[in-house]
Amino acid sequence: QSVLTQPPSLSGAPGQTVTVTCSGTDSNIGGGYDVHWYHQLPGTAPKLLIYLNVKRPSGVPDRFSGSKSGRTASLAITGLQPEDDGHYYCQSFDSGLSGTIFGGGTRLTV
Amino acid sequence: QVQLQESGPGLVKPSGTLSLTCTVSGGAMSLNKWWTWVRQSPDRGLEWIGEILNSGRVNYHPSLRSRVTISVDTSNNQFSLRLTSMTAADTATYFCARGEEGSLDVWGQGTMISVSS
Repeated sequence: QSVLTQPPSLSGAPGQTVTVTCSGTDSNIGGGYDVHWYHQLPGTAPKLLIYLNVKRPSGVPDRFSGSKSGRTASLAITGLQPEDDGHYYCQSFDSGLSGTIFGGGTRLTV
Repeated sequence: QVQLQESGPGLVKPSGTLSLTCTVSGGAMSLNKWWTWVRQSPDRGLEWIGEILNSGRVNYHPSLRSRVTISVDTSNNQFSLRLTSMTAADTATYFCARGEEGSLDVWGQGTMISVSS
């Protein structure tokens, strides 16, 4: 069981908006630690999508946006496109573990 | 741009030791990056194993600390993972990655490791 909780699956039609949530505790997200988001396609490595809660690496479309409030972080994807299909993972730091933690992942079907 | 590539055996016997190397290409191993190992399996999802700085400072996942060693060889632009007493529960795809401001911004393609006799 992952320390960060994500919905196992979501779906949306092309053009729609979906939001992936990532719920933690006071020892991670609620403790002020940053959240990062990744997109993974089958058979490939995760790709960084959002870092430091809200920042997008170069090349990531502005359809992707991140936010954080309290113990929960969110990834919003607007104008869904077929290539957005795949798994999405959140990541943060946990002070109890003194290390990196990941969410269980959300399978997005477009 | 920096690229990472894992290399390793593919198959490890139960109670054996896994040794993986990650080769960094396209640039030197920067001083302020955390060179990281992550694994992924259907049962456990993504799991952070540990990380190392160029200085040799390391952090390990508490559940693996007794079995894991991560080392760095900056002269050859490589860092390595050693995991002892392997069991079926260690079967996973192992990734190396570069840590930047807490995120993992560059990943290797991953290498599948099976534990079986």
